[in-house]
Amino acid sequence: AQSVSQHNHHVILSEAASLELGCNYSYGGTVNLFWYVQYPGQHLQLLLKYFSGDPLVKGIKGFEAEFIKSKFSFNLRKPSVQWSDTAEYFCAVNAAGSARQLTFGSGTQLTVLP
Amino acid sequence: GAGVSQSPSNKVTEKGKDVELRCDPISGHTALYWYRQSLGQGLEFLIYFQGNSAPDKSGLPSDRFSAERTGGSVSTLTIQRTQQEDSAVYLCASSKQGAPGGNTIYFGEGSWLTVV
Repeated sequence: AQSVSQHNHHVILSEAASLELGCNYSYGGTVNLFWYVQYPGQHLQLLLKYFSGDPLVKGIKGFEAEFIKSKFSFNLRKPSVQWSDTAEYFCAVNAAGSARQLTFGSGTQLTVLP
Repeated sequence: GAGVSQSPSNKVTEKGKDVELRCDPISGHTALYWYRQSLGQGLEFLIYFQGNSAPDKSGLPSDRFSAERTGGSVSTLTIQRTQQEDSAVYLCASSKQGAPGGNTIYFGEGSWLTVV
């Protein structure tokens, strides 16, 4: 079974700072990887996803993530955060080609100070 | 509707009572998922429906939890004899087909359940 670890539970940054949120997964086979975001009072939304091909994936709102297979990692990055990026971020994984559910990490709360 | 619709958005119930949570997926989506998000915890998978196949119930935490999906569309999650530890946000999601890797999953806004 797969598992996902997000080591940063709460990150506080000032506006314009660079962001990197860690995500490591555990699974022996080929995976699909996702980052979801949940803004305060809103539902989960997909930020970006990786299935295959270029390991550097670009998503909405200037976010990107890099899949490093040798490190079992899929870290989320943004060069310059904004106050509106304050939200909870979830990394998720599922076995490629599987019809089963996504496995989510425990989430990272990002607070951006104006 | 345009998105996944869940009801009620908020439910307060007394310990020991049964509750039903409803999910109306996006039209045309054959896959439907229920997740639970407890305070300070990540998302926990509960159950997955895909078309007419038998549901994947492997995430249901106890036999007090059950779910059904009628006519391949609307789903109801039922919690019997609720306990305080059942307090959480219950999220429903749907996707076009049953392979999350190939299709984006869309989430509803959730049903916040508080057991007192």
